[in-house]
Amino acid sequence: NAGVIQTPRHKVTGKGQEATLWCEPISGHSAVFWYRQTIVQGLEFLTYFRNQAPIDDSGMPKERFSAQMPNQSHSTLKIQSTQPQDSAVYLCASRGDNQDTQYFGPGTRLLVL
Amino acid sequence: AQKVTQTQTSISVMEKTTVTMDCVYETQDSSYFLFWYKQTASGEIVFLIRQDSYKKENATVGHYSLNFQKPKSSIGLIITATQIEDSAVYFCAMREAGTQVVGQLTFGRGTRLQVYA
Repeated sequence: NAGVIQTPRHKVTGKGQEATLWCEPISGHSAVFWYRQTIVQGLEFLTYFRNQAPIDDSGMPKERFSAQMPNQSHSTLKIQSTQPQDSAVYLCASRGDNQDTQYFGPGTRLLVL
Repeated sequence: AQKVTQTQTSISVMEKTTVTMDCVYETQDSSYFLFWYKQTASGEIVFLIRQDSYKKENATVGHYSLNFQKPKSSIGLIITATQIEDSAVYFCAMREAGTQVVGQLTFGRGTRLQVYA
């Protein structure tokens, strides 16, 4: 049983470029979460989908960041006009319906030069 | 607002010994879930064990167990018979159960465990 899949594992972009990160949740899981991990801030919540609907994006920076879940098998996190401070590991997690434990993907390490 | 605090930045122990990692939390909710995850050197975050706030019995999974002290808002992780491969960063996390809308986990800053031979 495959776990959460994230692609790419590593991404290097130049300042001002766009970055799109992909997440494939565990099959059958209805909830998808995005988190960001940095040395300074630790693990921070970004946004959450349930049954493909956006539920809570309270952790998303108001500008340049957006997330979508067009179908139950994948979600994307898009960062427009990337800045060096966006450099972080972006983690996706999924959770089954009526379950409480989230399972994490391997993360995408984004480096903005 | 919920908050999770891990005061131990790093711990070093000899293999085959028992180690306890501390975690305290703050929440206004009467019902919540507490989790421990570990992050390996490769960056992978692995779920270890969980405690539901309404359960009085401490959770145990393999050589991981919890010391849940609800009046103190404390959830310690105990690893018995530690192994070299237990070396990792351990995160405590919480999710309030009030509503499914509140889905996200709030994490502590982590405790780095080094197990040596």
